[in-house]
Amino acid sequence: KQEVTQIPAALSVPEGENLVLNCSFTDSAIYNLQWFRQDPGKGLTSLLLIQSSQREQTSGRLNASLDKSSGRSTLYIAASQPGDSATYLCAVRYGSSNTGKLIFGQGTTLQVKP
Amino acid sequence: EPEVTQTPSHQVTQMGQEVILRCVPISNHLYFYWYRQILGQKVEFLVSFYNNEISEKSEIFDDQFSVERPDGSNFTLKIRSTKLEDSAMYFCASKVQLTTRQETQYFGPGTRLLVL
Repeated sequence: KQEVTQIPAALSVPEGENLVLNCSFTDSAIYNLQWFRQDPGKGLTSLLLIQSSQREQTSGRLNASLDKSSGRSTLYIAASQPGDSATYLCAVRYGSSNTGKLIFGQGTTLQVKP
Repeated sequence: EPEVTQTPSHQVTQMGQEVILRCVPISNHLYFYWYRQILGQKVEFLVSFYNNEISEKSEIFDDQFSVERPDGSNFTLKIRSTKLEDSAMYFCASKVQLTTRQETQYFGPGTRLLVL
């Protein structure tokens, strides 16, 4: 079964710390992987999309890496700020889907303390 | 910046009633999706829609569900006879196409459905 798992479920860090969120997927035949941010009761904001042929993508203080062989992706957040507090979701489009459906992890809820 | 919009933001209904959730995808997008998130659970895929027909649906998307693109801008999800377990946040998403460079799915803010 194609699944996506995120660990830890929750993370609390002091402001300014660099941190890493983890995502693992069961089938290495992915097409791409997308990281989202979700604020409480809100929709999903796309942060980064990384294609299966890529190793990493960067946007500002965010860096996403992809290692297909090990079935892992990480989202690195540099110099965390209280405004980064949210739930971060990892979603995978597997290669077997020609419709683009995404399979989501359960998310990591991040709290950055001032 | 263009965005996906959804209406209503909240809906409360009685079990057995029909509900229609509405979405306006980004105007030049060609692929449309519905997902749902039951409180405290993962976001789950429901259905994808392309070229005026369903291209894929999940096990959740049974005969009680239907989707429609009634005009050039709206994309709707209908639940014919709601059940308590249909209570969830429903997200609409869209993207331009399936090519490598246009893969990002853009999500709407969601409709929170509560079935009593």
